[in-house]
Parts: sequence; structure tokens; C-alpha cells
Amino acid sequence: QKEVEQNSGPLSVPEGAIASLNCTYSDRVSQSFFWYRQYSGKSPELIMSIYSNGDKEDGRFTAQLNKASQYVSLLIRDSQPSDSATYLCAVTGGANNLFFGTGTRLTVIP
Amino acid sequence: SQTIHQWPATLVQPVGSPLSLECTVEGTSNPNLYWYRQAAGRGLQLLFYSVGIGQISSEVPQNLSASRPQDRQFILSSKKLLLSDSGFYLCAWEPEAFFGQGTRLTVV
Repeated sequence: QKEVEQNSGPLSVPEGAIASLNCTYSDRVSQSFFWYRQYSGKSPELIMSIYSNGDKEDGRFTAQLNKASQYVSLLIRDSQPSDSATYLCAVTGGANNLFFGTGTRLTVIP
Repeated sequence: SQTIHQWPATLVQPVGSPLSLECTVEGTSNPNLYWYRQAAGRGLQLLFYSVGIGQISSEVPQNLSASRPQDRQFILSSKKLLLSDSGFYLCAWEPEAFFGQGTRLTVV
């Protein structure tokens, strides 16, 4: 059974601060890691993918992966109220499957 | 560009009624397709995935079934809905699970 764990939150940060979202996974074979943003009532949208250890930056978003610790994180710099959403972590399992965490709800306070 | 269509967007069905949700993909061939369910306040649960026509894999035993009659069409069905089938149903295609807009199903 593949497990992906996230702190459900809610996580509240003031506007302009850095939001840090964390995710751990149980399957050492996992090779691909993704972060999705889901607004209330909407479907998830992919915002970041990371495949190798280290950091990957895209605009205000930075994904960090540590395969030895089975840990992946997402940093959001200069957080904006529009970043308020639930953030889902997902990792690949076998047979082309993605396994999702339950998500962390982020609120950015103006 | 690739797009994924799901319908209907919202559905209210009585207990014991049948269900058919359709998902189609444009702009790609031989996609891997997935059905997920998201219950209120819970994570995404993988229900079925398909790597090709007529090829369906089920992740969890349940009151639902899936079919893939055409390369770009994926259908989720039930013969008799249960209250516990309520949720947000999402169709997705890889490589990184691009999702359709989803169907919010309420079983009453």
C-alpha cells in the first residue's frame, strides 16, 4: 500500500511571507513527484514536478526533494491571497499510477 | 493542444439508480486514463486506470465499474448507486495527471 502523508492544516501565513508545505511518502521506488493546487470546488491543477534530489524553482514556487528521507516539499515565496487553496502532493507508484496525499489547506491572510 | 472533457458537471441521483460518467480526451493518442474520486474533506482515491482500449485495472473493490470502448473515451458506471458513492469524480490522463473539470455526484 502506497502512502503519501501531508499535514492537513490549515496553514495560515500573512501575505508576502513564505509558505512551506511538506509531504512524506512510503515507497522508496517512487521516481516522480508532483504538487497540485486545488481551489474549492475545482479540479486539481499541476503546478510543479520534480524527479531528482535537490531544488527546482519555477517563479515563486520551489519544490525540494530528498529521496533518502522520502520527503518532498513546496515553498511558496511572496505568498498572495490568490495562493489560498488546498495543495496536493502526489508520487508515482507502479503501473503508471499516481498516489495522492489528502492535501494541505493554505490560507494567505491579506 | 491536449484537452480533457468530462460531463456532466453536476449530478443528483437517487439511491439505487444507475450511473454513467463520460470522459474524452483530445489532442493525444493512446493516453493512459484514470478515474479518481474525492469524497468531501478527503484525498483523491484512484478508482480505475486504463492503458488502452478494453484494458481496465481496478484499484479498490466497490460499486463501480469502468470501460474504455475507444482510445480516447473512458466511462465510469454503476448499476445501483449507494449513498457512499457521493463525491467529486475526476478523470485524468498522464503524464502528470491533467484533470478534467470533474463531476460532482450527490446520491440522495
